Amino acid sequence: IQLTQSPSSLSAFVGDRVAITCRASQGISSYLAWYQQKPGKAPKLLIYAASTLQSGVPSRFSGSRSGTDFTLTISSLQPEDSATYYCQQLNSYPYTFGQGTKLEIK
Amino acid sequence: QVQLQQWGAGLLKPSETLSLTCAVNGGSFSDYFWNWIRQPPGKGLEWIGQINHSGDINYNPSLTSRVTISVDTSKNQFSLNLTSVTAADTAVYYCARQDFDSSVPHYYYFYMDVWGKGTTVTVSS
Repeated sequence: IQLTQSPSSLSAFVGDRVAITCRASQGISSYLAWYQQKPGKAPKLLIYAASTLQSGVPSRFSGSRSGTDFTLTISSLQPEDSATYYCQQLNSYPYTFGQGTKLEIK
Repeated sequence: QVQLQQWGAGLLKPSETLSLTCAVNGGSFSDYFWNWIRQPPGKGLEWIGQINHSGDINYNPSLTSRVTISVDTSKNQFSLNLTSVTAADTAVYYCARQDFDSSVPHYYYFYMDVWGKGTTVTVSS
């Protein structure tokens, strides 16, 4: 299953609302997770089951699903949100990741 | 709080075998699937495979012919072997725990919630 993220990169201001999209090449129900990765660090789980916020993750992060399209939204961008974001499908093997979206703070 | 500690050789020559181990500290070993994921320099994430305490295994078909994942339940450790490495196998290798949420009846929503710090493996002659 191929996951296509868009955009590949974006730049936004602190306080902006930001959305990253992940499109699956076939149906994966809600078996999708979102991760945040900062340089030199392991990925960090943000959201699973398309829209369930992982414990300890700020509530400005949210996820949604419409068919095979998934969206990660950051409601009010903070400086520490500068990172690369990945989606992952865990519907079927092999698990696959999107190619990543690099988010920069202006 | 569970932590994953990983180690292994960081510099290999082409055709050698990559060997990494991940130790699970401070938590249950038997309730989860344990995964290996890699990330080539400047690129995205690739899932390699997973194993549970019973030895149930799933591999990425792109690597099946060269990869072996094993488990040592007496030490709460799992390992990755990748044979015949080439420069294309140069990457940061991560181990990760897979948990699930079963709060919705008949659904098991998986996710990878605990990750090791990563081991950089370079293949060069």
